[in-house]
Amino acid sequence: KAGVTQTPRYLIKTRGQQVTLSCSPISGHRSVSWYQQTPGQGLQFLFEYFSETQRNKGNFPGRFSGRQFSNSRSEMNVSTLELGDSALYLCASRLGQGAGGEQFFGPGTRLTVL
Amino acid sequence: TQLLEQSPQFLSIQEGENLTVYCNSSSVFSSLQWYRQEPGEGPVLLVTVVTGGEVKKLKRLTFQFGDARKDSSLHITAAQPGDTGLYLCAGLLTDSWGKLQFGAGTQVVVTP
Repeated sequence: KAGVTQTPRYLIKTRGQQVTLSCSPISGHRSVSWYQQTPGQGLQFLFEYFSETQRNKGNFPGRFSGRQFSNSRSEMNVSTLELGDSALYLCASRLGQGAGGEQFFGPGTRLTVL
Repeated sequence: TQLLEQSPQFLSIQEGENLTVYCNSSSVFSSLQWYRQEPGEGPVLLVTVVTGGEVKKLKRLTFQFGDARKDSSLHITAAQPGDTGLYLCAGLLTDSWGKLQFGAGTQVVVTP
């Protein structure tokens, strides 16, 4: 069974631009979560989607948004990029909704903001 | 401030030695997961522990969940260079859906 895939793997943007990252979950998984990983803050939860609805949200500004499609694929968008947004963005999928369930991560998208 | 405190932050050992990584919190978790991450890649799930006092073994790796479900440990016996990586613990609070709370990670380096 194919794992979680994320595209693109690497991105370079400049301040003020916006970016869209894509995530395809494991086949049959309906929940998708997004995390930001930086050397200073570690892994921080951004949001989780199930059945095209945001179910949970972390403490990030409104510049960070996401959505999920009917086939469970998800995208996250960051508008008005700042230098501090440079990070590894990770997507994780799990089987269902509610608490619990093992999460499986994709390889991540490395975003560099210049 | 992270909910899960991992220690130590860094471990450098020789092949064949044992090591233990700790993950502590004042919060109760419904489950706790351990991951290993290689540079530039996503975390790979090693194990999930759910029941207080639970012990799980994965070859040379032993995982324990505290009785009160507030802490966990990972013990590696006879470490090998292939065990090198960033070890992360991540817990799920009750009713938090899929929001994992991560520790800061322990960088383990095993030299031949």
